[in-house]
Amino acid sequence: AQKITQTQPGMFVQEKEAVTLDCTYDTSDPSYGLFWYKQPSSGEMIFLIYQGSYDQQNATEGRYSLNFQKARKSANLVISASQLGDSAMYFCAMREGQASYDKVIFGPGTSLSVIP
Amino acid sequence: DTEVTQTPKHLVMGMTNKKSLKCEQHMGHRAMYWYKQKAKKPPELMFVYSYEKLSINESVPSRFSPECPNSSLLNLHLHALQPEDSALYLCASSQDWAALGTDTQYFGPGTRLTVL
Repeated sequence: AQKITQTQPGMFVQEKEAVTLDCTYDTSDPSYGLFWYKQPSSGEMIFLIYQGSYDQQNATEGRYSLNFQKARKSANLVISASQLGDSAMYFCAMREGQASYDKVIFGPGTSLSVIP
Repeated sequence: DTEVTQTPKHLVMGMTNKKSLKCEQHMGHRAMYWYKQKAKKPPELMFVYSYEKLSINESVPSRFSPECPNSSLLNLHLHALQPEDSALYLCASSQDWAALGTDTQYFGPGTRLTVL
C-alpha cells in the first residue's frame, strides 16, 4: 500500500496567489517526520520544511507553511505569494521513527506551474 | 551552510566503461545516501552509509559499487551499466541516520547519467 499520496499530479497557480499542495500519509508509528522537497528542472532536491509528529504547532519557513492535520493524516504544503521560481516538482516525504529498518518514503510528486 | 556537492554534473558512458560519481559534504553529517531517480518519478534509495559503514543496500545490482572513504566523501563506482541505468543520481547527507523520524536529508545537485 502506498504510504504517501499526492493526489495532484499537476497544478497551476497565478503569480502572487497562494497555493496548497496536498499530501496524505499512512503510518501506525506514533513517531515520524514529514518533509517537503522542491525539485526544479535542474534536478537538485531542495529541502523546504519539516514537521514532527509530536510538534504542537504547524511548521513555517518563510513563504512555506505546513498544514498538519494529524487525525486526518494530512500534511499539506501552503506556498504564499507564488513566484515564477516556484515552478517545480514538489515531493512530500515521511520517515517513520521506530522501525528498525527504515528509510525516507517519497510521494509521487506534484508538478507546480506558476503563471505570470 | 547546507551544501552537498556532486561531480560530474553530466556523464555519458558506454556499457563497457568504468566511471565513478563523487559526492562531498562538509556539514559534519554522519549519514550519506545514494538515490536513483528516473524522469517524473520520486527518488529511489540505493545505499545508506552511517558512520562510514554500509547500513542499507536496497538490492542494487553489483554493477553499482558504493564506497565511503571518509565521513565527508561518498563515491559510486559504475561498471558494465545498461541503458536502463540512465537516470539522475542524487547524493544526500543527514546528521544521524539513527535519529530516524527527525533526521533531515540534504541533497546535492545530482549527476545526470546517460548509458549508451
